[in-house]
Amino acid sequence: NAGVTQTPKFQVLKTGQSMTLQCAQDMNHEYMSWYRQDPGMGLRLIHYSVGAGITDQGEVPNGYNVSRSTTEDFPLRLLSAAPSQTSVYFCASSYTGGPAYEQYFGPGTRLTVT
Amino acid sequence: DAKTTQPNSMESNEEEPVHLPCNHSTISGTDYIHWYRQLPSQGPEYVIHGLTSNVNNRMASLAIAEDRKSSTLILHRATLRDAAVYYCILSITFGNEKLTFGTGTRLTIIP
Repeated sequence: NAGVTQTPKFQVLKTGQSMTLQCAQDMNHEYMSWYRQDPGMGLRLIHYSVGAGITDQGEVPNGYNVSRSTTEDFPLRLLSAAPSQTSVYFCASSYTGGPAYEQYFGPGTRLTVT
Repeated sequence: DAKTTQPNSMESNEEEPVHLPCNHSTISGTDYIHWYRQLPSQGPEYVIHGLTSNVNNRMASLAIAEDRKSSTLILHRATLRDAAVYYCILSITFGNEKLTFGTGTRLTIIP
């Protein structure tokens, strides 16, 4: 199993540009989520999905859109990038959205918005 | 959401046990206690979790106080590869989508 994969690893955007961060998992996990991590801080939840076709907002959803058309993929879209979105983005998945299940994290995408 | 309190940093000698404390005085009866760690330039990695009883796995042990207001992650024999930021997290019962990461404890291992 490849686990959770994320592309790209690094990205530089100009303010106002749009892009999609890709996330895929091959473990047949129902639950997937996106976090961002700013320097010296813990992770903050952006959006999550409990299954294909179902998504919901996390702690910091503004400026980001998600969709979940398949179990495997959970892309994160930035519609109009802003410098405040400079961060490291992590995708995670788990078997289900229950408190007793561990989450598996991808390696991250480091995004810089100038 | 219930919060956790951890020391900002700790140091330990290589090949010695490490005890990482976490206070969670506002924990509810059904919150699970999770520990994750994050090595430099990597995504977080699951370490262990528990509800009421102490737990052991291949990576670590989790000791939970009887009143559940605190817990301790125990690395039995620290190696240089254990140098990381360790996060103690509480998950509410209807879904772990509410995992809230604090700033964690930065563990330094001294050779």
